[in-house]
Amino acid sequence: AQKITQTQPGMFVQEKEAVTLDCTYDTSDQSYGLFWYKQPSSGEMIFLIYQGSYDEQNATEGRYSLNFQKARKSANLVISASQLGDSAMYFCAMREPYNTDKLIFGTGTRLQVFP
Amino acid sequence: DSGVTQTPKHLITATGQRVTLRCSPRSGDLSVYWYQQSLDQGLQFLIQYYNGEERAKGNILERFSAQQFPDLHSELNLSSLELGDSALYFCASSVEAGLAGEATEQFFGPGTRLTVL
Repeated sequence: AQKITQTQPGMFVQEKEAVTLDCTYDTSDQSYGLFWYKQPSSGEMIFLIYQGSYDEQNATEGRYSLNFQKARKSANLVISASQLGDSAMYFCAMREPYNTDKLIFGTGTRLQVFP
Repeated sequence: DSGVTQTPKHLITATGQRVTLRCSPRSGDLSVYWYQQSLDQGLQFLIQYYNGEERAKGNILERFSAQQFPDLHSELNLSSLELGDSALYFCASSVEAGLAGEATEQFFGPGTRLTVL
């Protein structure tokens, strides 16, 4: 069965520094999608970045980039130049590929950015 | 603002009661998904509707049901509520149901926080 693992319950980073949030996944499917969402303390889920299993280039969206290592089944999120507003929970998720966009979520990593 | 709306934002009720959560997807999105976020279970997929038809089911209890109406809004009905049903319930929408080899971003609503006392 598909599974997402986030081993870092919490991370600290200083403002303006880069931080990497880890995500590994398990699937026997050849086709899948990987997502990162941010959940601030207000509760909403904000889409950050997407990587398709067939994409050869790592996805980037502004200060967010996804370090996709298919052979290792990892999809780490890199946030460059951290800002105080980046403090939030971050969830890695995988899409089940056949006939549905159901997302399977990891347990999340709480990131705290300090001045 | 994702364009997905959910009402109510907060709901406090008692055990044994029945509640209805409402979701309006983004304009043009045909798929609606319901997720439950609780402290002990994390974020879990409950059910998906696509253009009015049930498309996929997750760990949804028999006490819970959902439907999607012709105008594409969706309702999640929770009955015989228990303390353990207290959670944040999210609705998400996307343009279409996924096809093999493709992925569609899901846009999440702000959630309904349900507290069962």
